[in-house]
Amino acid sequence: SQQGEEDPQALSIQEGENATMNCSYKTSINNLQWYRQNSGRGLVHLILIRSNEREKHSGRLRVTLDTSKKSSSLLITASRAADTASYFCATGLLDNYGQNFVFGPGTRLSVLP
Amino acid sequence: DAGVIQSPRHEVTEMGQEVTLRCKPISGHNSLFWYRQTMMRGLELLIYFNNNVPIDDSGMPEDRFSAKMPNASFSTLKIQPSEPRDSAVYFCASRRGRDSQETQYFGPGTRLLVL
Repeated sequence: SQQGEEDPQALSIQEGENATMNCSYKTSINNLQWYRQNSGRGLVHLILIRSNEREKHSGRLRVTLDTSKKSSSLLITASRAADTASYFCATGLLDNYGQNFVFGPGTRLSVLP
Repeated sequence: DAGVIQSPRHEVTEMGQEVTLRCKPISGHNSLFWYRQTMMRGLELLIYFNNNVPIDDSGMPEDRFSAKMPNASFSTLKIQPSEPRDSAVYFCASRRGRDSQETQYFGPGTRLLVL
């Protein structure tokens, strides 16, 4: 089963509105990262939040992490048409290798002009 | 920096043929990942290398898939023989170190279609 699950699967908003996407996970994590994927492209890293952090900002992005609920949210404020993409959360797992993330299925965001 | 380079960008082949996908990680990165992305299964990790050594290949679907990293600047993912269900976008990603807190940098992907 997926470690990370984004919610909703798809989101459509008007330009200028805020977009909120959620991610839930199952096991203990070391960190959680959000990535964006434009259609036909590779994933691009947006922001990382460590397990001992609760909130982080980067430009129009705000990420929160609630380890007690095993959930995270990504807020994009004042959305633009260029924000149209799929957004993935990836959980960095605690293990001896520290090797990788587990990606969720993603949220498809459409920002309408 | 040119970023992660993958080739070819598109590949169309017939069932039963051998397919080789190539990846050049970012210089100085010592972790390399191969992913497969489909609508049905999302993004799946196939294999992870650290310092050219395969660390975790539990995601490799079956023996038809093999991956190598002969040196720090090159990796291949081979499918032999290919099947229509292998059709997907294959991404290579690299990371500077072993720490999962470090950013993975993705290549543009290879879109594979097996007829």
